[in-house]
Amino acid sequence: DIVMTQTPLSLSVTPGQPASISCKSSQSLLHSDGKTYLYWYLQKPGQSPQLLIYEVSSRFSGVPDKFSGSGSGTDFTLKISRVEAEDVGVYYCMQGTHLWTFGQGTKVEIK
Amino acid sequence: QVQLQESGPGLVKPSETLSLTCAVSGYSISSGFYWGWIRQPPGKGLEWIGSIYHSGNTHYNPSLKSRVTISVDTSKNQFSLKLSSVTAADTAVYYCARIGAYWGQGTLVTVSS
Repeated sequence: DIVMTQTPLSLSVTPGQPASISCKSSQSLLHSDGKTYLYWYLQKPGQSPQLLIYEVSSRFSGVPDKFSGSGSGTDFTLKISRVEAEDVGVYYCMQGTHLWTFGQGTKVEIK
Repeated sequence: QVQLQESGPGLVKPSETLSLTCAVSGYSISSGFYWGWIRQPPGKGLEWIGSIYHSGNTHYNPSLKSRVTISVDTSKNQFSLKLSSVTAADTAVYYCARIGAYWGQGTLVTVSS
């Protein structure tokens, strides 16, 4: 089974400052079709998770460009260039290369 | 706009079978993509339960595989989850999703006598 490990598990950020979340997989997420199925979601309080990034670095429709994803193989990163109050919630990475597995989640709050 | 809506009992007795249905609108399941179920115990993280392709091909979480059945009804544009022999540990918000992009609002299922 693939294990997805996120760090940190919680993050307190001053408004306007950047934030970064790491996600590491126990095996390479490079699929035989050449794509890497690594997704990032944000679950705001009381809501369903919403897709931010798919296939490592592609922003989903309507997602602001302050969110960016990068990485390859087993190491991936989500960056928020300027954190705002509306970005508060739990961020999850998910792999879809070897079935599907979520990371534990990273709780982001505003200082 | 793709929309998904879960439906089913909110309370299930221990040892019984949990049954949920996900109605899809704005997209035909027959057109492709994987469709699936994810759950979230109160105050905890997300757990993938299983997925089904429009052709009926299924994949299940190995930790739940012996108890899970996911099926699709393309004529009604919906898919379903059955989880047998439930215990209190199966209490969670259950989400249906077009794997990757679109999620339902979730439905809380409590396992209790």
